[in-house]
Amino acid sequence: KAGVTQTPRYLIKTRGQQVTLSCSPISGHRSVSWYQQTPGQGLQFLFEYFSETQRNKGNFPGRFSGRQFSNSRSEMNVSTLELGDSALYLCASSKAGRELFFGEGSRLTVL
Amino acid sequence: GESVGLHLPTLSVQEGDNSIINCAYSNSASDYFIWYKQESGKGPQFIIDIRSNMDKRQGQRVTVLLNKTVKHLSLQIAATQPGDSAVYFCAENLPYSGGGADGLTFGKGTHLIIQP
Repeated sequence: KAGVTQTPRYLIKTRGQQVTLSCSPISGHRSVSWYQQTPGQGLQFLFEYFSETQRNKGNFPGRFSGRQFSNSRSEMNVSTLELGDSALYLCASSKAGRELFFGEGSRLTVL
Repeated sequence: GESVGLHLPTLSVQEGDNSIINCAYSNSASDYFIWYKQESGKGPQFIIDIRSNMDKRQGQRVTVLLNKTVKHLSLQIAATQPGDSAVYFCAENLPYSGGGADGLTFGKGTHLIIQP
């Protein structure tokens, strides 16, 4: 079956702009989590959605937001981009919330 | 601070040898542990998991060992191949009733390099 699909794979933005990233989970998975990966901080939890509701949120500023649609697809948005937001953004879906299946990520570069 | 860490950022092994990647965790309440493999340009891929009521679990060419006494986790890869070259992450999960990924804490990873 198809894996987790993230789009776009690569994007370049400038400071102050906003960005929206999309994630389509594995069919039947209702939980979608987002992570930020950087060389310095590693994998950091952003938030998790389950049945269109944000179930948990990590320690990120309010510029980072997300949502989940009725078909379990999820989007995350980062507003007022900063240089430090440059990272690989990973989406993961799960059925039971523990075993995560990751997508290949969206690599964001902020100039 | 980070509760899960790996002892070495880089591990170099000869092709065909066994690899052992170590991980220390600090929270004795963690009840579930996972190893992920991340190849260059890809997302992390699940390798194997283990619950705290087990000491050892084997998969295909991989074995995970859990020592709860010293809060240590290791991943053993038998007969290491070039395709095993990747960054390996351990992750620990705290038990809670609601489910969800927020209880999963990742270490920073060990880069496994395979020498021909």
